[in-house]
Amino acid sequence: DAGVIQSPRHEVTEMGQEVTLRCKPISGHNSLFWYRQTMMRGLELLIYFNNNVPIDDSGMPEDRFSAKMPNASFSTLKIQPSEPRDSAVYFCASSSPAGAFFGQGTRLTVV
Amino acid sequence: GDSVTQMEGPVTLSEEAFLTINCTYTATGYPSLFWYVQYPGEGLQLLLKATKADDKGSNKGFEATYRKETTSFHLEKGSVQVSDSAVYFCALRYLLNTDKLIFGTGTRLQVFP
Repeated sequence: DAGVIQSPRHEVTEMGQEVTLRCKPISGHNSLFWYRQTMMRGLELLIYFNNNVPIDDSGMPEDRFSAKMPNASFSTLKIQPSEPRDSAVYFCASSSPAGAFFGQGTRLTVV
Repeated sequence: GDSVTQMEGPVTLSEEAFLTINCTYTATGYPSLFWYVQYPGEGLQLLLKATKADDKGSNKGFEATYRKETTSFHLEKGSVQVSDSAVYFCALRYLLNTDKLIFGTGTRLQVFP
């Protein structure tokens, strides 16, 4: 298995632009998590899905952030409009009873 | 609510020293406990886990024991190597119902030759 696949690995965008981060979970995993990591705030859970249904989105910072999981093999995290304070590494993880497995992350820089 | 507390870093050690990274948790139920490791520029990798009280998880020379009486899951290694330098995260997870995964803030370990 290729593991959790995130794209792009790096994204640089201008303030105000829309940003879409993508995640392909491990096949057969029924939970998917989006995290944000910064030096200041550490690892923050933004939202997680179980069987493609959003269970808890209380970590989504504001309405500019949205996440979807249209099917079991794909999820997106969208920021519209983006701001410099959104600069961070965004991780996607999928889980089975054996544990949660992380992608390599997307490093987002908003200038 | 549920939470995980880790000792602040960085933890700085010489090669072959003994390592302990403290982790305590607050939980309303009976979670599984995990340690993850993050090497520079990479995502988090599962290091070890324990699913019930008194279980000991172990991997790559690291081990941690699920202590329900002290609500702790301290990470230990008898002899660290330079290659162990990374950030270590303690986490708890409920497999039933919501499958929520909660992390501590992470502890940076620096090992010098």
